[in-house]
Amino acid sequence: EVQLWESGGGLVKPGGSLRLSCEASGLTFPIYAMNWVRQTPGKGLEWVSGITARGTNTYYADSVKGRFIISRDNSKNTVYLQMNSLRAEDTARYFCAKEPGGVVVYHFDLWGQGTQVTVSS
Amino acid sequence: SNELTQPPSVSVAPGQTATITCGGDIIGTYSVHWYHQKPGQAPVLVVFDDSDRPSGIPERFSGSKSANVATLTINTVEAGDEADYFCQLWDSGRDVYVFGPGTKVIV
Repeated sequence: EVQLWESGGGLVKPGGSLRLSCEASGLTFPIYAMNWVRQTPGKGLEWVSGITARGTNTYYADSVKGRFIISRDNSKNTVYLQMNSLRAEDTARYFCAKEPGGVVVYHFDLWGQGTQVTVSS
Repeated sequence: SNELTQPPSVSVAPGQTATITCGGDIIGTYSVHWYHQKPGQAPVLVVFDDSDRPSGIPERFSGSKSANVATLTINTVEAGDEADYFCQLWDSGRDVYVFGPGTKVIV
């Protein structure tokens, strides 16, 4: 079965750090670009970051630029999101999402179920 | 503006047609994609590149675009179509994905 599985969420204090992971199974992970998208309760979707298939290019929303780092390990079929200097407004459910190609320009044809991040003192 | 706008909600009777719009100054420049999301679930792609349907999505779902408005149409609406619907595009001018605020379809 083709699926994405996020992990690493939790409760963290403002200013703290957290690393999310998203492991893919049932697909040829190294040929697809990947993204992170977040959603606050009852609110809409906000794209956070994207990375090309080989990890050569990365992209960030202005709201996280300079604080979050996206990376991937194709040998482990996993994409990561290192989140630093966390703020209350980063509290959300974080989804990883797959592109149908190797670059970050298409759309998301597969999503994980998400992992909850809560930033609170 | 680089933002996308959607009506907060659309109410439709079973068997009728639901029309969801997505507006914005950049709509005419980029391909628009649509997702639906049911409570507690991940979003699911229902239309990509303005009007294409992924495999497994019923023909009742169709997309179109004219000038600065993209439209998702759901024909013969079923109770199971009740969900939030989001439009999205890749803004290559700023290298960011943009989502619309979402429309709740009430059946």
